[in-house]
This record gives sequence, C-alpha cells and structure tokens, in this order.
Amino acid sequence: GAVVSQHPSRVICKSGTSVKIECRSLDFQATTMFWYRQFPKQSLMLMATSNEGSKATYEQGVEKDKFLINHASLTLSTLTVTSAHPEDSSFYICSARDEGGNNEQFFGPGTRLTVL
Amino acid sequence: QKEVEQDPGPLSVPEGAIVSLNCTYSNSAFQYFMWYRQYSRKGPELLMYTYSSGNKEDGRFTAQVDKSSKYISLFIRDSQPSDSATYLCAMSHLPYSSASKIIFGSGTRLSIRP
Repeated sequence: GAVVSQHPSRVICKSGTSVKIECRSLDFQATTMFWYRQFPKQSLMLMATSNEGSKATYEQGVEKDKFLINHASLTLSTLTVTSAHPEDSSFYICSARDEGGNNEQFFGPGTRLTVL
Repeated sequence: QKEVEQDPGPLSVPEGAIVSLNCTYSNSAFQYFMWYRQYSRKGPELLMYTYSSGNKEDGRFTAQVDKSSKYISLFIRDSQPSDSATYLCAMSHLPYSSASKIIFGSGTRLSIRP
C-alpha cells in the first residue's frame, strides 16, 4: 500500500512552547489529509480535515487557533500545536487519501507528544 | 453513550485458536464498516471494509455485520503470533472512498500465544 510518514515520531517539550508535526504522503498525492488524536486506551478522534490550498475544516470542540494546520502542497500537511500544555499530550496520527488509487486512507505511524 | 463501543481487552489466546472481536454501535445511519489493525507505535492499516449487513471473507479473516442488532464482528481463523496487535473497528455514513468522517472504536488489544 501507499506510504505516509510523520515527523517527528516522538517529541517532548515544555509547557507553553509550540510544536510542529509533519505528515507526508511519500508515493502519492493527497488533496485531503486528516489529523487524529488518540489518548491512551481511547478511540482515534478526528480533529480536522486538511485541504490542499484551502482552510482546514475543524471538528466541533477543536480550537483552530491552537491547532494550526497548513496543507501547502499535495504531499505535505503540518499540524502546529501552539502554546502546548500537559493536557495536549497525546498520540497524533495523520492520514492521507490516495485519490489516484481507490481513495483509501493511509495512516501515518503517529507522533507521541509529551508536554511537561 | 459512545457512538461505537469496543471492549479494550486485552484478549490472549493460544496460537491456532479462532478469535472473535466485536463492536456495537448506536447510530443506525452507519452504512460502511471497517476493521483496522494497529501494531505498536504504528498507524492503523485497513484490514477489511464492508457495506451494510452480511459477511465478507478474506483469507483467514471474516467480517460480519448485523445492522438489525447494530453489531459487527471480525473473526480470525488459525490465529498466528503475527496477528498480535490492536484491532479497531470503524464506521461511517458515506462510502469509504469519500472524504467522510470515520468513527473509530477504542480498539481491542489481541495477543496470540505461541
């Protein structure tokens, strides 16, 4: 299947700092990418849908000013957690839709964020 | 009440056993049902995708949907240690091929003992 990468895989930061997470589709182009958050022993929760060249669509309850999404190219979407706090510590996973294939969503390996 | 309920396990079975994983859901509008496998420190990968009620078989895996009971199952035959992972059920209102919102279960951690 198609490959989606995320960078970094793990990040530890101090409270109040901002953290940027990258999501790349390595062998296909993706107009649409998705950002999820997964707390321990809980479901993947969709945070936002990232659209290349336009504004992201955020799910109810997700602060768009805190979780900044930029989808500047067909292979890269970034999620920036601004002024991170300990309650933002979670596993962040992106997925990308392979529109050139059968529209399957391929998931990245996730980024573990720990805010001290 | 959560839209999708899934027993988190852990579930431990001996190699070769038949495994049954299940989810219940509350929203009767769900039409498309998926099972994902997630290995430790990896993203989920799609195992099977079914539409409406019925069974679908793929090798050692069988997905079953009972919309009248709002209950879906994944059966794994002749389980192998390499099947040890977390299995997530997921569902959506619209086809998987659209930019539809997917609702995930919390995942069941499965361990196959050699």
